[in-house]
Amino acid sequence: KQEVTQIPAALSVPEGENLVLNCSFTDSAIYNLQWFRQDPGKGLTSLLLIQSSQREQTSGRLNASLDKSSGRSTLYIAASQPGDSATYLCAGSAGSWGKLQFGAGTQVVVTP
Amino acid sequence: EAQVTQNPRYLITVTGKKLTVTCSQNMNHEYMSWYRQDPGLGLRQIYYSMNVEVTDKGDVPEGYKVSRKEKRNFPLILESPSPNQTSLYFCASSSRTGREQPQHFGDGTRLSIL
Repeated sequence: KQEVTQIPAALSVPEGENLVLNCSFTDSAIYNLQWFRQDPGKGLTSLLLIQSSQREQTSGRLNASLDKSSGRSTLYIAASQPGDSATYLCAGSAGSWGKLQFGAGTQVVVTP
Repeated sequence: EAQVTQNPRYLITVTGKKLTVTCSQNMNHEYMSWYRQDPGLGLRQIYYSMNVEVTDKGDVPEGYKVSRKEKRNFPLILESPSPNQTSLYFCASSSRTGREQPQHFGDGTRLSIL
């Protein structure tokens, strides 16, 4: 079973600072690694998906990397804004791509 | 608008009274899945379905049933709900090429079982 861990559980940064969120997983035979954002009282919004054959994905200010050999993925958010305040979750699948394991999330607060 | 719709959004009920949470998607996705989210435990997968009439257990299937008779619908059934099933539930869907395409989530259903 794929185990996914996110550290730290919470993070507070001043506006403008770059954010670095970490995700680690136990099974390197991962099909893909997904990053999601969750706002309070809302569902999850997909941010980036990195396939097992890829090393990184980029979308605007967001960049996610995947290192299967070390079992790590990192989400970078450049020049953070108060609107980036949310909980960020990573999820990975191994064994069966339909079976997804989530990390517990990192709660991010960006202060003006 | 592409979306995953869950109903109801909120429900308070009593132990033992059968309930169904509906999930419908309008994106013609083959893959659908149910999760529950609990404080300190994160999101855990209950059941998933790769296509019509194909369902598989996730990590926490006990006490739940699902069916996939149509592509667009994937209801979650609690035959005899218990208080430990009080949680926030999410339905999600994805295209057949789920390795390359992200999952789309509904807004959630908050269940309270007394």
